[in-house]
Amino acid sequence: EPEVTQTPSHQVTQMGQEVILRCVPISNHLYFYWYRQILGQKVEFLVSFYNNEISEKSEIFDDQFSVERPDGSNFTLKIRSTKLEDSAMYFCASTDGGRVNEKLFFGSGTQLSVL
Amino acid sequence: LAKTTQPISMDSYEGQEVNITCSHNNIATNDYITWYQQFPSQGPRFIIQGYKTKVTNEVASLFIPADRKSSTLSLPRVSLSDTAVYYCLVGLISSGSARQLTFGSGTQLTVLP
Repeated sequence: EPEVTQTPSHQVTQMGQEVILRCVPISNHLYFYWYRQILGQKVEFLVSFYNNEISEKSEIFDDQFSVERPDGSNFTLKIRSTKLEDSAMYFCASTDGGRVNEKLFFGSGTQLSVL
Repeated sequence: LAKTTQPISMDSYEGQEVNITCSHNNIATNDYITWYQQFPSQGPRFIIQGYKTKVTNEVASLFIPADRKSSTLSLPRVSLSDTAVYYCLVGLISSGSARQLTFGSGTQLTVLP
């Protein structure tokens, strides 16, 4: 089965530093998402992306966050100045086919630790 | 966004059928019901999706009553490897702009030997 690939699997950074989390969605998918999960808590929506622009974003996705699809394959999440509370597992997801939310494929996640 | 309510946890024994019920009283006409499974330190994995009545695949069945205010995920003959968190999500399926799916707190299923 095709996979969503995320790199790196673990990222450790100092507070205030910028981080870029990378994702390669499944090649024919059209809709892309970032979710995060703080340890022991539920999966939280951050942002959705379609047709090279943000479709929807949550309150968590403030000005410190940005997303980009720099080429035809990568989808990145940038956190400009990390805070301690940004420590979480970040999941990238993409959807199968032409209908949004029909079936999300999630990557294995990037564990971000902010020190 | 329709809010969902699920039991926080359930225990079962290997070989038993497990039914997890989710309430979604304010589901909208165009919303679909989707269940995901999540193992520790992994991304959620799609299990099944439906709109009404019953849907079955190789992994599970999904029962949705006529009023669609609840749904039940049925896992036949569970094994230890089915121990995971199960999420019920309600959301719009459409073309065009991507819409968020909201995860609830999920149900921790523990399968005992």
